[in-house]
Amino acid sequence: EDQVTQSPEALRLQEGESSSLNCSYTVSGLRGLFWYRQDPGKGPEFLFTLYSAGEEKEKERLKATLTKKESFLHITAPKPEDSATYLCAVGPTGNTPLVFGKGTRLSVIA
Amino acid sequence: NAGVTQTPKFQVLKTGQSMTLQCAQDMNHNSMYWYRQDPGMGLRLIYYSASEGTTDKGEVPNGYNVSRLNKREFSLRLESAAPSQTSVYFCASRGNSEYGYTFGSGTRLTVV
Repeated sequence: EDQVTQSPEALRLQEGESSSLNCSYTVSGLRGLFWYRQDPGKGPEFLFTLYSAGEEKEKERLKATLTKKESFLHITAPKPEDSATYLCAVGPTGNTPLVFGKGTRLSVIA
Repeated sequence: NAGVTQTPKFQVLKTGQSMTLQCAQDMNHNSMYWYRQDPGMGLRLIYYSASEGTTDKGEVPNGYNVSRLNKREFSLRLESAAPSQTSVYFCASRGNSEYGYTFGSGTRLTVV
């Protein structure tokens, strides 16, 4: 069974305090690993897609990395506007729907 | 603006009432999805439609029905609402796999 586990469930950081979110997964063939950001009262918004172990992608203060069993979302010098829930999802091969983790709720305090 | 549009944004139902949640996308995507999101449970797939004319059950289909009306529209129906169906419902569509899914802004449903 395809599974995604995110940790921690919640993370509270001071502004400028760098940290990482974890997404571990088991999937029968990986089509892609996706990171989304979700603000309160809104739908998830796409951040990154990673396809193979060793791949890295960056956007502003965020960097996503991928190994064969997990992905990390590194947040460097976060700002209060980075506060959100970050969701990880894996896409099995073929047309099988994405499987989502439960998310990490990030709070950045000024 | 291109994207996924969900209606209504908020709804309160009494137990036993029925309603249909509407979803439309204007990106010419083939696949569409309905998820529900509950605190501590994450996004759970209710039904999906891989292409026009097909629908399949997801993880939590009981109590729901869907209709893929055409390529643009995918509706979710609750025939007899129950308090356990109180949730936030998201519709999504998939086009280029590079971007995964595009989500709507959600429908917050309360069943009393």
